Amino acid sequence: AQKITQTQPGMFVQEKEAVTLDCTYDTSDPSYGLFWYKQPSSGEMIFLIYQGSYDQQNATEGRYSLNFQKARKSANLVISASQLGDSAMYFCAMREISNDYKLSFGAGTTVTVRA
Amino acid sequence: DAGVIQSPRHEVTEMGQEVTLRCKPISGHDYLFWYRQTMMRGLELLIYFNNNVPIDDSGMPEDRFSAKMPNASFSTLKIQPSEPRDSAVYFCASSFRGQDQPQHFGDGTRLSIL
Repeated sequence: AQKITQTQPGMFVQEKEAVTLDCTYDTSDPSYGLFWYKQPSSGEMIFLIYQGSYDQQNATEGRYSLNFQKARKSANLVISASQLGDSAMYFCAMREISNDYKLSFGAGTTVTVRA
Repeated sequence: DAGVIQSPRHEVTEMGQEVTLRCKPISGHDYLFWYRQTMMRGLELLIYFNNNVPIDDSGMPEDRFSAKMPNASFSTLKIQPSEPRDSAVYFCASSFRGQDQPQHFGDGTRLSIL
């Protein structure tokens, strides 16, 4: 079974608008970590934001925030005030003790920001 | 702070040749991971090490692939003999232990086998 599901293969967003990238996950571990990575066309994988399963508040990092709904097992990434440089592939990932701290990745969502 | 360093950045070689990819993890990290990324298969975990010891190599596609970590600051991924279907981007990543620890990726090696 897929541990991480990203249902949006591609999205377009207008510059300066916000965009939400969906991510749902599947685990029976009581404690786990959720991560988002950005992969621009240049190819590098950039860590963006982390959400712990026991964190009471949604994580935020600059223009990135996580809409974490534990009961629904979703961890959606919100990018506010989109910039042209945000055009990239975005991956959701999960790390669990039961998986020996390996990262399970989703298939990714391509975001294209339009001027 | 130095991140994960991979070399070479690009490699083009002919089928049948030996290819060696190199990785220097972030100092102090306990875990090192090798990934392969292709359009068809996405990001695949090939092998990972914990404290220099290979833990799970079930993702290594064939016996032509081997990986070593002789010390905490160096790892290699070797393909011998190489085949065109091995063409991909290979990433090395490292991290501390713990589900709250992000993996930090190198810039990748873009490998083309002709």
